[in-house]
Amino acid sequence: DIQMTQSPSSLSASIGDRVTITCRASQGISNYLAWYQQKPGKVPKLLIYAASTLQSGVPSRFSGSGSGTDFTLTISSLQPEDVATYYCQKYNSAPLTFGGGTKVEIK
Amino acid sequence: EVQLVESGGGVVRPGESLRLSCAASGFTFDDYAMSWVRQVPGKGLEWVSGINWNGGSLGYADSVKGRFTISRDNAKNSLYLQMNSLRAEDTALYYCARGPVGSRSFYYFYYMDVWGRGTTVTVSS
Repeated sequence: DIQMTQSPSSLSASIGDRVTITCRASQGISNYLAWYQQKPGKVPKLLIYAASTLQSGVPSRFSGSGSGTDFTLTISSLQPEDVATYYCQKYNSAPLTFGGGTKVEIK
Repeated sequence: EVQLVESGGGVVRPGESLRLSCAASGFTFDDYAMSWVRQVPGKGLEWVSGINWNGGSLGYADSVKGRFTISRDNAKNSLYLQMNSLRAEDTALYYCARGPVGSRSFYYFYYMDVWGRGTTVTVSS
């Protein structure tokens, strides 16, 4: 099975900082990659699909890039409401593996 | 309003069974693939099982294969997860999640654009 590895597992950044989270697949998955945001105590929310397509209603400070095995989620200017854990997920084939998550906090 | 509401969770002993249900509303249920995803409190997300729009294609995580069975009743707008031979490591919050628009296909592997609030399963002796 394809493994999904996220890094870092946690980060602390200041308001307004540019934040980048990476997700690496152990084999190529083309662009079948989604990103989710899960705020504390809340349900996961879809941010990005097809590696770089922003889900409707998601702020434009979020962006995704990558293809094949290496992907990134970027928050261009970190806001207080972005405190959350972010997960990548591959969906080219089963199993639909999630990455281990990246916890984003405010410094 | 698009909504998924899970039910059926509870406390059971190892080896026992439980059946989870997910009631869908606000959209045409049989236009979408569906999945179950679980999360141990404080831990990450784990995909459990998925099913295509008509139940003709489905899959499971290795951790539950042979013990869990996913099904759906499109006439009742409902998704189910029959969980047998439960283990302590199955203890988690179980989410029902919908595939995207256009997921009415042979396949069940999609990203998930709508999630329920989850139902808690606790397996303990």
